[in-house]
Amino acid sequence: DAKTTQPPSMDCAEGRAANLPCNHSTISGNEYVYWYRQIHSQGPQYIIHGLKNNETNEMASLIITEDRKSSTLILPHATLRDTAVYYCIVRVAGDSSYKLIFGSGTRLLVRP
Amino acid sequence: GAVVSQHPSWVICKSGTSVKIECRSLDFQATTMFWYRQFPKQSLMLMATSNEGSKATYEQGVEKDKFLINHASLTLSTLTVTSAHPEDSSFYICSASGVNTEAFFGQGTRLTVV
Repeated sequence: DAKTTQPPSMDCAEGRAANLPCNHSTISGNEYVYWYRQIHSQGPQYIIHGLKNNETNEMASLIITEDRKSSTLILPHATLRDTAVYYCIVRVAGDSSYKLIFGSGTRLLVRP
Repeated sequence: GAVVSQHPSWVICKSGTSVKIECRSLDFQATTMFWYRQFPKQSLMLMATSNEGSKATYEQGVEKDKFLINHASLTLSTLTVTSAHPEDSSFYICSASGVNTEAFFGQGTRLTVV
C-alpha cells in the first residue's frame, strides 16, 4: 500500500505558484520522498526527490517538514502544460531493490 | 533526464495469444526495472521488480506464469502477457533505474485484447 495521502484535486491560475501537499506520516528515517507527474496517456515524468533537506531544481521545489511527516511540491509559475496528475511517493525497500508504490495522486488543473 | 523507450506504443491482439512488450534504457545501464499496469482513471499498480540477471519479484496477486518478465541485459527488459484475455487490456508501463539514479519511465504500451 502507498504510504502517502494527497488531495484528489487542486487548481491554480496560470502564472501563479502551485503548492501540492502530501502526507507521509509513517515514513521511515531512510525512505526518500519522490514526486512524479503523469500527463494523460503518457508514462510518469520524474520531478524531484528528497530525504530531509529542501530541494530545488529547474522544475520545482520540494519542502519537507522537519519531522518528515509531510511535504509540499511547489511549481513556482504554473503553466497550462503543468496540468497533470501529481504523485507523491515514498520509496520503500523491496526484497531485492527499492519500490515506488503509487497512491492516487492529485489532479492539478491550471486555469488560463 | 534519462531516456526509457517502450515498444510497441499500442498493440491489439486476439484473445488467447501472447504479447511481448519491450523496455529499453537508451542512455544508462538499468540495474533495476519495474513493470506497472494502469487501468482507466486509476493509479499505477506495481506488478513486478526485476534486477538484471535475476528472476523478477512479483507483487502479491500478480500471476508470474501469466506475466513473464525477462531482464537479461542492463538495457532491456521484456514483459510477455501469455494467453491474453480481454481483462488483460490495460496500459502497461515500465520504469528503469541505474545505480544511484532515480527511476525513469517509458511512454507506456496500451494493450487491447479482442
